[in-house]
Amino acid sequence: DADVTQTPRNRITKTGKRIMLECSQTKGHDRMYWYRQDPGLGLRLIYYSFDVKDINKGEISDGYSVSRQAQAKFSLSLESAIPNQTALYFCATSDLWGTNEQFFGPGTRLTVL
Amino acid sequence: GQNIDQPTEMTATEGAIVQINCTYQTSGFNGLFWYQQHAGEAPTFLSYNVLDGLEEKGRFSSFLSRSKGYSYLLLKELQMKDSASYLCAVRNDYKLSFGAGTTVTVRA
Repeated sequence: DADVTQTPRNRITKTGKRIMLECSQTKGHDRMYWYRQDPGLGLRLIYYSFDVKDINKGEISDGYSVSRQAQAKFSLSLESAIPNQTALYFCATSDLWGTNEQFFGPGTRLTVL
Repeated sequence: GQNIDQPTEMTATEGAIVQINCTYQTSGFNGLFWYQQHAGEAPTFLSYNVLDGLEEKGRFSSFLSRSKGYSYLLLKELQMKDSASYLCAVRNDYKLSFGAGTTVTVRA
């Protein structure tokens, strides 16, 4: 079984709709991250959380919100989706100790029409 | 701010060697990662450098010079399955900043 899972894997939605992307992990890691990936721009950090009570904005948080429901669950919401939020979204986790190597989920491909 | 540069694309022949360079100017530095990402898939860890010098791991090696803000990933004995994007990422505290990635195409 995968250590980091994301649902849905693919989603097509319309402008103005609310959408939630979910991430779950069984690695027991405290730190969780949400990134988006666009061609030519690489991975950009949207939000990150170092424990259940800690939520921090990344470099591109506008238009997004998150919820850390438990150590193992971190959700990303788009309150009112717009076409330029069309991207590949990745969740990642890392441990408190060591190198901070991040482990990525399989990704969610989101298309906003 | 964070500025991490790597070439967009490289092409090499099966069995050859390819070197992917990464230069960075960042507000902080606690280490440098290289990740491999096949099209449409998740990035996977390749290497981590925190001190200057060369780290070797099988066919892959990674080098770091902190004074020059420079790293490279060396892929030896290229195989078709090495066709992928290679992402350079700088660690600052507990966050990573990624370069745009280098797409390597291996030709037969």
